[in-house]
Amino acid sequence: KQEVTQIPAALSVPEGENLVLNCSFTDSAIYNLQWFRQDPGKGLTSLLLIQSSQREQTSGRLNASLDKSSGRSTLYIAASQPGDSATYLCAVITGANNLFFGTGTRLTVIP
Amino acid sequence: NAGVTQTPKFRVLKTGQSMTLLCAQDMNHEYMYWYRQDPGMGLRLIHYSVGEGTTAKGEVPDGYNVSRLKKQNFLLGLESAAPSQTSVYFCASSYTYYNEQFFGPGTRLTVL
Repeated sequence: KQEVTQIPAALSVPEGENLVLNCSFTDSAIYNLQWFRQDPGKGLTSLLLIQSSQREQTSGRLNASLDKSSGRSTLYIAASQPGDSATYLCAVITGANNLFFGTGTRLTVIP
Repeated sequence: NAGVTQTPKFRVLKTGQSMTLLCAQDMNHEYMYWYRQDPGMGLRLIHYSVGEGTTAKGEVPDGYNVSRLKKQNFLLGLESAAPSQTSVYFCASSYTYYNEQFFGPGTRLTVL
């Protein structure tokens, strides 16, 4: 069974710092990988989707990379802001009913 | 364009009671999903649908039933609620399983 791990579970950084969130998965046979953010008591908001044939995707201050062979993805956040504080989740999809989520990294950006 | 909506937002049930959660999407997506989110366990897939009139089991289907009578709606039913079903339930939709998934705001269910 695919296992998705996100380390660290929590991270605090001062405002303005660049940071990297990590996601690792055990089976490289994936269709895509998606990064989400979740605010407390809210649903998931999609940030970036990387297809298995891609190596990275960018949206504004966010950049996600994918290395299928090593089973790793990173989400890079540039010039962090207090509004970036949230839990960040990654999910890998291996089929219609095979979606696996990590348990997330809770990010706090300190003003 | 409301995206994915869920009804109700909160619900408290007693053990043995039944209820139905409603998910609606206005993006003309074929695929719809029901997940539950529990502390320390991440999101787990309960049931999913690949189109109107179809349903299939996910990772944790026991104790739940679903129906997809209309393309835009996906219903999740609990016939006899148990305390173990206390959770936050999320609905999601996508064009296909390898496209971006869009999530609803969630339903917080407590079973006493």
